Amino acid sequence: AQSVSQHNHHVILSEAASLELGCNYSYGGTVNLFWYVQYPGQHLQLLLKYFSGDPLVKGIKGFEAEFIKSKFSFNLRKPSVQWSDTAEYFCAVNRRGNNRLAFGKGNQVVVIP
Amino acid sequence: EAGVAQSPRYKIIEKRQSVAFWCNPISGHATLYWYQQILGQGPKLLIQFQNNGVVDDSQLPKDRFSAERLKGVDSTLKIQPAKLEDSAVYLCASSLGGTGGVGTGELFFGEGSRLTVL
Repeated sequence: AQSVSQHNHHVILSEAASLELGCNYSYGGTVNLFWYVQYPGQHLQLLLKYFSGDPLVKGIKGFEAEFIKSKFSFNLRKPSVQWSDTAEYFCAVNRRGNNRLAFGKGNQVVVIP
Repeated sequence: EAGVAQSPRYKIIEKRQSVAFWCNPISGHATLYWYQQILGQGPKLLIQFQNNGVVDDSQLPKDRFSAERLKGVDSTLKIQPAKLEDSAVYLCASSLGGTGGVGTGELFFGEGSRLTVL
């Protein structure tokens, strides 16, 4: 079965701290990888995506993610978080040729001013 | 550009009652998705439409859930009869094409319809 794993569901950190959220998937074959973010009271929106090419992907608001194929991982990072980064972050994966986008359980990130 | 519209935003019903949710995707988006997001979990795909045809409904509990997209634009998701475990946020999303190919796959989500079943 297709699955996406996100650990450390709740993360609390102070402003200016670095953030790294892990994402592992259990798919064979070629995949498309995504990070979505949901700010409080808002809808899910795309943070960044990887289809092919450079495995280090830069997204909006200073976020980046690195695809490591050998580890089936797509970890999200931000060197210095702000209070406005308080949100829930979801990793999502689909397999080329398969229409289903599978989500992880999400990471609830709270940034303390 | 207008986003994905959903209604109602909130609905409270008793178990065994019925409920319907409506979604209007972004104009021109051929693919429409309904996801169920239970508290503490990630969204789970219920059904995917390509225009007015069903592409994937393998995770839709068909004994109580139904969905349609008759004219290939807006869509409704119905639950009848509702159970306590159906309490969740129902998310509608749309995309230009299918999610399988390079250059596709970005889903645009609505704000969701939060269902509480008592």
